[in-house]
Amino acid sequence: QSALTQPASVSGSPGQSITISCTGTGRDVGGYNYVSWYQQHPGKAPKLIIFDVSNRPSGVSNRFSGSKSGNTASLTISGLQAEDEADYYCSSYTSSTTLDYVFGTGTKVTVL
Amino acid sequence: QVQLVQSGAEVKKPGASVKVSCKASGYTFTTYSMHWVRQAPGQGLEWMGWINPNSGGTNYAQKFQGRVTMTRDTSITTAYMELSRLRSDDTAVYYCARKHRTREEYYFDYWGQGTLVTVSS
Repeated sequence: QSALTQPASVSGSPGQSITISCTGTGRDVGGYNYVSWYQQHPGKAPKLIIFDVSNRPSGVSNRFSGSKSGNTASLTISGLQAEDEADYYCSSYTSSTTLDYVFGTGTKVTVL
Repeated sequence: QVQLVQSGAEVKKPGASVKVSCKASGYTFTTYSMHWVRQAPGQGLEWMGWINPNSGGTNYAQKFQGRVTMTRDTSITTAYMELSRLRSDDTAVYYCARKHRTREEYYFDYWGQGTLVTVSS
């Protein structure tokens, strides 16, 4: 079971929108609506920002939104702010026989 | 408020074992399974397995089977992850994270602060 594929880096200017893709297979992203996204600042623990493809936990900014099409999920950050600079990881439940959850390779978001 | 507080950093020699603890508070310990995720320096997240605090049942990623043991002590609402036969590539930050045990939820809503385990001779 390989990690889900994400772009290594994405950048944008303050106020812009950016989108991070997360590509898997029919055994994970494409097979279930159980994609979640985590934000991780340097030296900190991951923080849940999207669950079940497109739902936001209480307290998470509505500038974060998620979607899915086929085997690819996406996270969009609109109105980019300096505090959004962080690493972002997608995750999915998987029907793999070797593990229950798979994470993405991670994307470094830089605010220019 | 929900808190997962992990034990402190460890330095171990190759071949040794390490046991990391995760003290839970602010919720009913047995309602959520405890998962362990690790992150090697500069690398991504890797799921290791989970323990059901209610039954003690476990499920490990195949990669770690035979080397990892997850346990819990419900009297002190603490989960443990022990990794044996340590190698240099086990150097990583180890996180505990909770997931609701019975609801159809497949995400980790609270995470511990992480425990750095360094394996070096």
